[in-house]
Amino acid sequence: SAVISQKPSRDICQRGTSLTIQCQVDSQVTMMFWYRQQPGQSLTLIATANQGSEATYESGFVIDKFPISRPNLTFSTLTVSNMSPEDSSIYLCSVEDSQLTGELFFGEGSRLTVL
Amino acid sequence: DAKTTQPTSMDCAEGRAANLPCNHSTISGNEYVYWYRQIHSQGPQYIIHGLKNNETNEMASLIITEDRKSSTLILPHATLRDTAVYYCIVRVAASGSARQLTFGSGTQLTVLP
Repeated sequence: SAVISQKPSRDICQRGTSLTIQCQVDSQVTMMFWYRQQPGQSLTLIATANQGSEATYESGFVIDKFPISRPNLTFSTLTVSNMSPEDSSIYLCSVEDSQLTGELFFGEGSRLTVL
Repeated sequence: DAKTTQPTSMDCAEGRAANLPCNHSTISGNEYVYWYRQIHSQGPQYIIHGLKNNETNEMASLIITEDRKSSTLILPHATLRDTAVYYCIVRVAASGSARQLTFGSGTQLTVLP
């Protein structure tokens, strides 16, 4: 199994600011994913972070709002830009099992509150 | 379109078996049934997955009907720590296929003392 560490675990931010969330994995992984979980809702995939190329964004999410970096096979960042109260959510990093079983491992999430 | 249907909530007495149903009538031949759970304020946790045979691990058992249109996750001896939202998901088991993974609303299981 993979151990995933996310920072920060929670933060309170002001409207109009940006925050970068870090995701560190204890092993090299090919696929890293970023999810959003709005209050009381289920998880929604934001994008797939690709090492060495641009991230792949899902419908409704754009690079200008959620820029992603993937500098190596164990690390990724997600930035939430120009935040508004609607961005208050839990942001989760996930990686895919290296054995190709399809199992996903999740970090504990970063809980953002935008005032 | 939702691929799975689960009850919104269920209760279970501590120490009893918790049986969580899931309907996936449109499942394709190469799609697996996965179960995850999310304990409050934590990231989702993988529980078990299967294709057509029943599966068992240290956490749970997965019973898949012969026509594969429904399945049941069984927690044999539920404890208070099993209180969580349980997600039933169907997807192919291939690298990168998480993009096709859709988390529905899940079932809120509450284990009662």
